[in-house]
Amino acid sequence: GAVVSQHPSRVICKSGTSVKIECRSLDFQATTMFWYRQFPKKSLMLMATSNEGSKATYEQGVEKDKFLINHASLTLSTLTVTSAHPEDSSFYICSASRPRTYEQYFGPGTRLTVT
Amino acid sequence: AQSVTQPDIHITVSEGASLELRCNYSYGATPYLFWYVQSPGQGLQLLLKYFSGDTLVQGIKGFEAEFKRSQSSFNLRKPSVHWSDAAEYFCAVANIQGAQKLVFGQGTRLTINP
Repeated sequence: GAVVSQHPSRVICKSGTSVKIECRSLDFQATTMFWYRQFPKKSLMLMATSNEGSKATYEQGVEKDKFLINHASLTLSTLTVTSAHPEDSSFYICSASRPRTYEQYFGPGTRLTVT
Repeated sequence: AQSVTQPDIHITVSEGASLELRCNYSYGATPYLFWYVQSPGQGLQLLLKYFSGDTLVQGIKGFEAEFKRSQSSFNLRKPSVHWSDAAEYFCAVANIQGAQKLVFGQGTRLTINP
């Protein structure tokens, strides 16, 4: 299967600071990337769909000013959690999709802890 | 709107025993269906997928799943589980009408007894 990386794998930050998470598609050009949030023992909640060269599409209830998504190239999407608060602590997972397919390849996830 | 239901939150089986994880979906058209596995603290790995054709699909790690339109089900099976199969399993359906989004079930946690 395809390889998707995320960096960092773990991050601890102080309340009020911003954190950037990178998602890279290592072996194919991903026109679409997705960002998910997963709470403990819960399923994945789609936060937004990121298309290369255009604005991300956010799911209902997700604050676009708080979770900034940039998809500047076909292999890189970033999620920036701005002014992080403890309730933003979670496991964030990205995925990448090949053009015109419905298969998603997932990154290993990023554990964010806001203190 | 489509939805996916995994009725079993947690299943425990003995090593070497057979396994079936249930998945029911709600979708108006022919669905694109997936099973993913997640080990603790990790991302998701695709086990298998169904788009069309043969309703019994084979996946990696000895898993298979059968699409049954009449029952709106896509159950995952394995004839003999290994301790390394302990993980969280997610069934998902693709929203082919928009943006390639996946809708996930709640997940089933599989525990293997030695």
